[in-house]
Amino acid sequence: DAKTTQPNSMESNEEEPVHLPCNHSTISGTDYIHWYRQLPSQGPEYVIHGLTSNVNNRMASLAIAEDRKSSTLILHRATLRDAAVYYCIISNQAGTALIFGKGTTLSVSS
Amino acid sequence: GAGVSQTPSNKVTEKGKYVELRCDPISGHTALYWYRQSLGQGPEFLIYFQGTGAADDSGLPNDRFFAVRPEGSVSTLKIQRTERGDSAVYLCASSLAPSGVNTGELFFGEGSRLTVL
Repeated sequence: DAKTTQPNSMESNEEEPVHLPCNHSTISGTDYIHWYRQLPSQGPEYVIHGLTSNVNNRMASLAIAEDRKSSTLILHRATLRDAAVYYCIISNQAGTALIFGKGTTLSVSS
Repeated sequence: GAGVSQTPSNKVTEKGKYVELRCDPISGHTALYWYRQSLGQGPEFLIYFQGTGAADDSGLPNDRFFAVRPEGSVSTLKIQRTERGDSAVYLCASSLAPSGVNTGELFFGEGSRLTVL
């Protein structure tokens, strides 16, 4: 699977937008980009995924660079409940498990 | 609604003992995954089932670890001769489709915390 690089940690203030970056320079044409997050003492939860086009859902937006070597998860208005570890994962084959890295720990202050 | 259920939520055992951890996936989900997570680390893949068969067990660390899913629903992770290094949170996830494809969103349980003394 393609390797991803994320900052170890980021900080944000409540009600402000947050842009969480992910580099995946070895991504191939059929690889999907997945984002999961893990709140304290819980299992990871799905946030969003995409292939080439930008994606929006009720939780977040995913902006994918034109060359697909990087992507950004956008939380439009951070809340205290968004404080979590955010994982960017690249998958390249049907039927293979998602491989998690260390992710980015997002702190949100009021 | 019914999500992925894992039991026990906490298990304390002594070094050398045998442990079983159970996972009840979401009804109808054919794919089931086991991960383990140590403090400060991301989830580490262990094994993936598609139906009753293990499609990928490359993450199992050694032959003390074994998992079954005999009827394609509930799965049990079995750890023999536990060691202190096995202490971790063991996470189970299920999905309708394999996780690498477009619709393969994983749904995780809250995990079973294993402590080996």
